[in-house]
Amino acid sequence: DTGVSQDPRHKITKRGQNVTFRCDPISEHNRLYWYRQTLGQGPEFLTYFQNEAQLEKSRLLSDRFSAERPKGSFSTLEIQRTEQGDSAMYLCASSIPGQGTGELFFGEGSRLTVL
Amino acid sequence: AQSVAQPEDQVNVAEGNPLTVKCTYSVSGNPYLFWYVQYPNRGLQFLLKYITGDNLVKGSYGFEAEFNKSQTSFHLKKPSALVSDSALYFCAVRMIYNQGGKLIFGQGTELSVKP
Repeated sequence: DTGVSQDPRHKITKRGQNVTFRCDPISEHNRLYWYRQTLGQGPEFLTYFQNEAQLEKSRLLSDRFSAERPKGSFSTLEIQRTEQGDSAMYLCASSIPGQGTGELFFGEGSRLTVL
Repeated sequence: AQSVAQPEDQVNVAEGNPLTVKCTYSVSGNPYLFWYVQYPNRGLQFLLKYITGDNLVKGSYGFEAEFNKSQTSFHLKKPSALVSDSALYFCAVRMIYNQGGKLIFGQGTELSVKP
């Protein structure tokens, strides 16, 4: 499978714990995006990378959230001191370089449940 | 601020009947417009996009969408619905000058097609 891969698919954790999600984009895609989706809502933009550079962060990305893409390939999204309000589906997407008109290719998502 | 509205939380149609899922947008300048579909516990799949040119665009699985600049709408349509079309549909907008490619999504419309 050469699509966007996310791991784990589902994470259950207790409030206050740290969690990390990983995203492997399609290999030739240099842009990588993280979104959050809560039940009954559309995906909300969190942050975006071009290669290893994090170029934009949403105000939704509080200080407890950090994203990295150290070698311009896979990315990680870490949530520290999780809260129940962090429970959501975290979606990763990638896109073809140089195409401002191109679509985003999404992974299956990582569902976080904070007890 | 850019925004996308999907005025219907749910659309119900009988199999074989035409379907329409509505989307309106509010942006400054010309947008790029997209439709995505999401099946339960799955990521988002790209259906179609409008960039420029013909106002009627055709996409995957027999879907099409009509761009109307004066009404700022981009409604998704299909001449004959299938039960397998039942899913969550999202409209999204990307600003032409936002070269990062961030998409802004509507809240989604649940399409239910009954036999």
